[in-house]
Amino acid sequence: ILNVEQSPQSLHVQEGDSTNFTCSFPSSNFYALHWYRWETAKSPEALFVMTLNGDEKKKGRISATLNTKEGYSYLYIKGSQPEDSATYLCAFYSSNTGKLIFGQGTTLQVKP
Amino acid sequence: DGGITQSPKYLFRKEGQNVTLSCEQNLNHDAMYWYRQDPGQGLRLIYYSQIVNDFQKGDIAEGYSVSREKKESFPLTVTSAQKNPTAFYLCASSIANSPLHFGNGTRLTVT
Repeated sequence: ILNVEQSPQSLHVQEGDSTNFTCSFPSSNFYALHWYRWETAKSPEALFVMTLNGDEKKKGRISATLNTKEGYSYLYIKGSQPEDSATYLCAFYSSNTGKLIFGQGTTLQVKP
Repeated sequence: DGGITQSPKYLFRKEGQNVTLSCEQNLNHDAMYWYRQDPGQGLRLIYYSQIVNDFQKGDIAEGYSVSREKKESFPLTVTSAQKNPTAFYLCASSIANSPLHFGNGTRLTVT
């Protein structure tokens, strides 16, 4: 079973704080790394699909970096807002199996 | 509007009964996936299909079966052999290297 690990498991921050999470994945057979945001009572929504080592993606206050050689990706949220409260999932797409394997997620709670 | 439809939203069954969860998409996506979520855990892959009439086991396929007779449809059957079937089930689809589109999920309770 491919291992995709996310840390921390949960995070509580104050409104305005910046924060970041980590996703670790196998460094072999890399095809792509996905980030999703999952809000309560909704379906997971895609944030980024990253494919190249050194990739950096940005969407508003959220950005992500990718290091495929060492097998990690960081997700950054600048100036967290209460509406950023959600579970953030990363998923590793393996080139030899076609499987998309998710980490267990990081649950972010932003207090006003 | 294109999207993925899972039905029903809530499903209740008695232990020992097989039950089928529906997943239909009109996005013309080739790949479809079934994931399961349990409290405090992430999404675990049950089965996936990259093309019609072909599917592969994911990491927790035991006690489940699927079919992919049409591009639009990927039903999941939870059999009586699945030891802990009570969970939240999510279906998703994608094309090429695009992100997954998810359905709204089915919450299955087996008593």
